[in-house]
Amino acid sequence: QVQLVQSGAEVKKPGASVKVSCKASGYTFTSYYMHWVRQAPGQGLEWMGIINPSGGSTSYAQKFQGRVTMTRDTSTSTVYMELSSLRSEDTAVYYCARVSTALDYWGQGTLVTVSS
Amino acid sequence: QSALTQPASVSGSPGQSITISCTGTSSDVGSYNLVSWYQQHPGKAPKLMIYEVSKRPSGVSNRFSGSKSGNTASLTISGLQAEDEADYYCCSYAGSSTHVVFGGGTKLTVL
Repeated sequence: QVQLVQSGAEVKKPGASVKVSCKASGYTFTSYYMHWVRQAPGQGLEWMGIINPSGGSTSYAQKFQGRVTMTRDTSTSTVYMELSSLRSEDTAVYYCARVSTALDYWGQGTLVTVSS
Repeated sequence: QSALTQPASVSGSPGQSITISCTGTSSDVGSYNLVSWYQQHPGKAPKLMIYEVSKRPSGVSNRFSGSKSGNTASLTISGLQAEDEADYYCCSYAGSSTHVVFGGGTKLTVL
């Protein structure tokens, strides 16, 4: 069965960076793009960007351009999302989600807390 | 401010039907039959309920249905049950640059 397992919760100070991982299993890793979506406390879903695990190409939401980097490791079927220059407003749950014609499978989410 | 507009809340009694609207533009909802709907219970990851406007993934109850007219998509839940109480988000493909836009979410309360 398809599973996306994300890394554990993180606490970071303002200005730091965080790198969240998402390990895929149960399907051919390179056959499906992966989105990253975040959700601030009590807020809605916000699209951050997408990565093609096959070639590694990426596309980021304009809001995060220059601060986000998405990468993948095909040897471990893992995608990564790194967000830099963290501020308090980046406190959120970060999700990876596989995409076919919709975001059909989601990771369990990773809480990133930014606090001094 | 979300790209797609949803009502903040809807409510209904058990057994009734409700409809949640999702209004976009001719650049997203109106241009592509790639509207999807997600159910999210508190503290849980979103779950895909409808894809490609009106298709249901395996395992999703046929009480959930989707439709689209022009720039507005809709999710209808019939025969409301207590476990349907959750937040619902619509989502649309918006082209190769923006890729994906979400609605702000609708909180469904089963009275």
